[in-house]
Amino acid sequence: DTAVSQTPKYLVTQMGNDKSIKCEQNLGHDTMYWYKQDSKKFLKIMFSYNNKELIINETVPNRFSPKSPDKAHLNLHINSLELGDSAVYFCASSQAGVETQYFGPGTRLLVL
Amino acid sequence: AQSVTQLGSHVSVSEGALVLLRCNYSSSVPPYLFWYVQYPNQGLQLLLKYTTGATLVKGINGFEAEFKKSETSFHLTKPSAHMSDAAEYFCAVRGKEGGGNKLTFGTGTQLKVEL
Repeated sequence: DTAVSQTPKYLVTQMGNDKSIKCEQNLGHDTMYWYKQDSKKFLKIMFSYNNKELIINETVPNRFSPKSPDKAHLNLHINSLELGDSAVYFCASSQAGVETQYFGPGTRLLVL
Repeated sequence: AQSVTQLGSHVSVSEGALVLLRCNYSSSVPPYLFWYVQYPNQGLQLLLKYTTGATLVKGINGFEAEFKKSETSFHLTKPSAHMSDAAEYFCAVRGKEGGGNKLTFGTGTQLKVEL
């Protein structure tokens, strides 16, 4: 069974559109994250939720809005997509008090 | 603030040769340190981590890393490279202070293994 899953795996869309990426973990973890990996493979955290509460929000444009309906899910909605949003977005999860984060397979977003 | 520097964005070794990927960190408090591997078009997989205790840490696939506080380093090694080791490797640090368990990644090292 997949521990951290993301949908869709690939997303190609036009500038100005709104899109969502979904993440689910079946590890029973209480903390979830979104990371962005740019074209140079640099990974940077965007958001973190613990028990559905936002605990990290790294200077991300407010076009990006995370939503955590429950501990097992963390979705990312992006409004008014821009060319610079093209990247691979990774979801991850961990358990409070345990350092290891487990990553999903990534969603490859291409904005045309 | 914490940061990670990975020296060498590309490393090439022959199959069977020693693999050495360098990582230096900066942290105001003793850190937790990680190495992750990313195979093409896949997510990140944890190779190994250092939290406390023994400074030589063994991970999966024959990799190990040594935490050297005096050198602020956490270099990744493998005695004998295999073709299947070709991938992108990321060093990451997390401070033991608050901050919501945020991982700060290095810029990655692409490992190429040649016959």
